[in-house]
Amino acid sequence: GAGVSQTPSNKVTEKGKYVELRCDPISGHTALYWYRQSLGQGPEFLIYFQGTGAADDSGLPNDRFFAVRPEGSVSTLKIQRTERGDSAVYLCASSLGPESSYNEQFFGPGTRLTVL
Amino acid sequence: AQSVTQPDIHITVSEGASLELRCNYSYGATPYLFWYVQSPGQGLQLLLKYFSGDTLVQGIKGFEAEFKRSQSSFNLRKPSVHWSDAAEYFCAVVTAAGNKLTFGGGTRVLVKP
Repeated sequence: GAGVSQTPSNKVTEKGKYVELRCDPISGHTALYWYRQSLGQGPEFLIYFQGTGAADDSGLPNDRFFAVRPEGSVSTLKIQRTERGDSAVYLCASSLGPESSYNEQFFGPGTRLTVL
Repeated sequence: AQSVTQPDIHITVSEGASLELRCNYSYGATPYLFWYVQSPGQGLQLLLKYFSGDTLVQGIKGFEAEFKRSQSSFNLRKPSVHWSDAAEYFCAVVTAAGNKLTFGGGTRVLVKP
């Protein structure tokens, strides 16, 4: 079956612009996660959705970052007024839920964001 | 807060030689521990995981890892590496709530012919 997909695979933008990154989870997975991986570092948690609601957004670095999942499937990560420090690979993962116990997270290939 | 440390940023190993990657964690409760591999242009792939029970766990691609509570370690091993094992490896721990993964900084493995 299809895995987690993310579009675009690469995004180049200019400082100050707005960007949207899309994640299509594995069909039937109710939990969805966003992580950010800066160059030379491990992924860092941004936000976790259970269904349509953000169950944990403690990893979002500031209010320029926002994510939605209106129908409980596809999710969009939105970044306003991009800064050069936002350049990173943004990873999406999905898993079965609810999280009564740990369920394996399956990762997409990521979107590489470059802010010039 | 939980944290994961991978002391080795780079490791170079000859093809056919053994490999061991170190991972130390800091976590208040019994951890769930993972090793992921990331090849260039690829997503993160789960190699193996430890939840409880036998402290030596077997994974895919011939990898194994040993959980040592006394040392707060979860080191990854492979007896004989192949050129295709060249990649970046990440150790991770999951929180008590079971949702967000906390990753180490990664170890990049280079394989010499």
